[in-house]
Amino acid sequence: ETGVTQSPTHLIKTRGQQVTLRCSSQSGHNTVSWYQQALGQGPQFIFQYYREEENGRGNFPPRFSGLQFPNYSSELNVNALELDDSALYLCASSLFSQIYGYTFGSGTRLTVV
Amino acid sequence: QKEVEQDPGPLSVPEGAIVSLNCTYSNSAFQYFMWYRQYSRKGPELLMYTYSSGNKEDGRFTAQVDKSSKYISLFIRDSQPSDSATYLCAMSVGAGANSKLTFGKGITLSVRP
Repeated sequence: ETGVTQSPTHLIKTRGQQVTLRCSSQSGHNTVSWYQQALGQGPQFIFQYYREEENGRGNFPPRFSGLQFPNYSSELNVNALELDDSALYLCASSLFSQIYGYTFGSGTRLTVV
Repeated sequence: QKEVEQDPGPLSVPEGAIVSLNCTYSNSAFQYFMWYRQYSRKGPELLMYTYSSGNKEDGRFTAQVDKSSKYISLFIRDSQPSDSATYLCAMSVGAGANSKLTFGKGITLSVRP
């Protein structure tokens, strides 16, 4: 199977709740990155995982956390949701060090009410 | 000041027009430059990438980088309605541990038949 798969596609949560988003990376890729794309904005880097370890983090608070599993799939967890967390969350997989080789999923649209 | 600034949109052109999309950046450490295309309800897909200053051509698309002016451009010749999408410039300091992408805000292009 090729391509990056994200689930769910849409999600509505209440402020203060917790959410888990999932990503299956493209076959052969060992690195997963997560990005947040607010409406009308470019994607912003949240963090990257390589060999199940966080390998770089953007300017996001600790309530954003992640996991990478031995099969290179990944989860993004957000605690204590705020209204400003409403955005499209994009997962991208790649081979480590191949900056041109990112494959993005179609994203999870999170709405916090 | 944001690290990457992209010309505001939206942009509407007739079919067959030449389109010029531009970004400026402030971080002189950026070494890798990319253009992504994002269709509605989809994740970004890599369109063009370049490392050095100068021009790179691929079919109807030309990417231009001027590191001395910290300026990159994407030219689309003979634009088609299928080119209607949001175009994002992206940059990176390096690969591997520094392989996060810093995106511009994006510009929405509409090509009228």
